[in-house]
Amino acid sequence: RKEVEQDPGPFNVPEGATVAFNCTYSNSASQSFFWYRQDCRKEPKLLMSVYSSGNEDGRFTAQLNRASQYISLLIRDSKLSDSATYLCVVKVYNQGGKLIFGQGTELSVKP
Amino acid sequence: NAGVTQTPKFQVLKTGQSMTLQCAQDMNHNSMYWYRQDPGMGLRLIYYSASEGTTDKGEVPNGYNVSRLNKREFSLRLESAAPSQTSVYFCASSEAGQGVYGYTFGSGTRLTVV
Repeated sequence: RKEVEQDPGPFNVPEGATVAFNCTYSNSASQSFFWYRQDCRKEPKLLMSVYSSGNEDGRFTAQLNRASQYISLLIRDSKLSDSATYLCVVKVYNQGGKLIFGQGTELSVKP
Repeated sequence: NAGVTQTPKFQVLKTGQSMTLQCAQDMNHNSMYWYRQDPGMGLRLIYYSASEGTTDKGEVPNGYNVSRLNKREFSLRLESAAPSQTSVYFCASSEAGQGVYGYTFGSGTRLTVV
């Protein structure tokens, strides 16, 4: 079983739609959580950190459920420019603070 | 701000050739990492260096060696390239291992081994 699992998609949605990505992780020692965005053939870039209380950045909302070992990302009013692959990432402190990546969920927003 | 700089951006090797991928960061980060990314596999950690003078194996270290030359530079060497090492390689750096710090990635090296 992979340490971080995501639905690979692709998710094909119209502009303005709300889309939700889910992610589960298996290592209970995971301490920090992130969503990264990766555009085609580019490097991953940090989208947002995820906190237990949930956090919002504009149209993006991230949630963490430690008991269920579950992370989510909600994108409201999606834009064409949101088309990318979204990577769920956990940091495990007892492994030298390494980031462990899910395989990513591809999003395609259509006009 | 340059951030994390990787060279070269593209490389084609013949099986059995060797090469070194270079990575340098100018953010005074302690930790540096090498990942490879293959279709359907996500990013997998090859080696990392939690601080200057230390290196450790990641998930897929076989066929690679690393050198943390100083705080800024972390190189990845393929001693005898194999077609299975065809991949996109990303270097990254971060603040100290713990905490909510994410990584800053370089733009990647696209390596093809024929």
